[in-house]
Order: sequence, then C-alpha cells, then structure tokens
Amino acid sequence: SQQGEEDPQALSIQEGENATMNCSYKTSINNLQWYRQNSGRGLVHLILIRSNEREKHSGRLRVTLDTSKKSSSLLITASRAADTASYFCAPMAGATNKLIFGTGTLLAVQP
Amino acid sequence: SQTIHQWPATLVQPVGSPLSLECTVEGTSNPNLYWYRQAAGRGLQLLFYSVGIGQISSEVPQNLSASRPQDRQFILSSKKLLLSDSGFYLCAWNGVAGYNEQFFGPGTRLTVL
Repeated sequence: SQQGEEDPQALSIQEGENATMNCSYKTSINNLQWYRQNSGRGLVHLILIRSNEREKHSGRLRVTLDTSKKSSSLLITASRAADTASYFCAPMAGATNKLIFGTGTLLAVQP
Repeated sequence: SQTIHQWPATLVQPVGSPLSLECTVEGTSNPNLYWYRQAAGRGLQLLFYSVGIGQISSEVPQNLSASRPQDRQFILSSKKLLLSDSGFYLCAWNGVAGYNEQFFGPGTRLTVL
C-alpha cells in the first residue's frame, strides 16, 4: 500500500507554540501533499513538495521530505487557535496522480 | 481561476433509494477527476478516478458507480443505497501536466437511514 500514515494521531498545544506532524509512506512517489480539514468541511490544500525537493516553506508552514526514509513532516510555527483542524499527508504516485490518504493528525490549539 | 462545485451539500436518503451526486469544475479543461469517501473519523478513500470523458476507473468494489458525461462534470451514482454508503463524499480535480496539486470540492454529507 502507498498509504500516508500520520503521527501523532492527536496533538494538543498552546497558542504560540510550534506543532510538528509526521508522515510515512511505503513506496516511490511523484510528490507529497499536505491538507487541512476543519470539522465537517472540505480539504484545503496547504503545500506540495516534489520528490526531488527536501524542504519547502509557505508562510508559517515548513514541510520536509526524506525520500530515503519515505517520510515527511509538517511544521506549523507560532500556532493560532484557528489552526485547530485535522491535517493529512497524501503521497501522490503513478501516471494518474492518485493520492493515498492516512487517517490524519487532529491538532487542537488552545487559546 | 479554477473552482470546483459539489451538490447537494447535505443529503438524507432511505435505504434502497437511488443516489446522484454531481461535481463540476470551472476554469480548466481536461482535468483528472476523483471521487473520495470519508467515513466518520477516518481518512479519505479513493473510489473512482477519470482521465477523460467516458473513462472511469474504480478503485474499490462497491455499491456505487461513476460517470463523466462532459469534460468538467463527474457524477457519482447508486441504484440502491445501503446503510454503509453513509459518509462524506469529496470530489477533486488535478490540473494539467506539471501542475499536480489536487484540489477538493466542499463535499456532500450523505446519511442513509
């Protein structure tokens, strides 16, 4: 399976702290994408990192990718209460660009 | 800019009734289209994908079917719903070669009673 698996399953931090979520997958990928999902809502695309990239930044987000270890991490700096959501990593592989999702990390940022 | 629409947003249907969920994409042409289902507290499971009109690939055996009658329209259907079909259904599109971000619609929450 190419499933992305996030760790931890749940994370609770105080506002202003950094949050780190990890993801592992099982096979070669074209890229890896991270998404946020607020409760009961659709998925918001956060960032895409290609297989030949090692690190990528977008605002308060920092994503790393280690293809030798088949792992990725998402760092949210200076967290805010509005960052409370589920976060999913999704490796993309194959000619049809299918994403394979894990069960996500539920992040709670306490004000 | 590209946008993706899904409707209805919420649906409550009795067991054994038919289903039709629609997804349309604007502002792009020849996208890859995808249907996912998310059970409560779970990740997303890919159900179908389509690389062109009339081209449908099924990922898992199930009670559902998909069709793509037009380039930017993707429909998820069932002739007779089961209780296990309840969930959150998300449509997604993937842009042209070189732009591999996959963007999701707002979803349809289906409850089968």
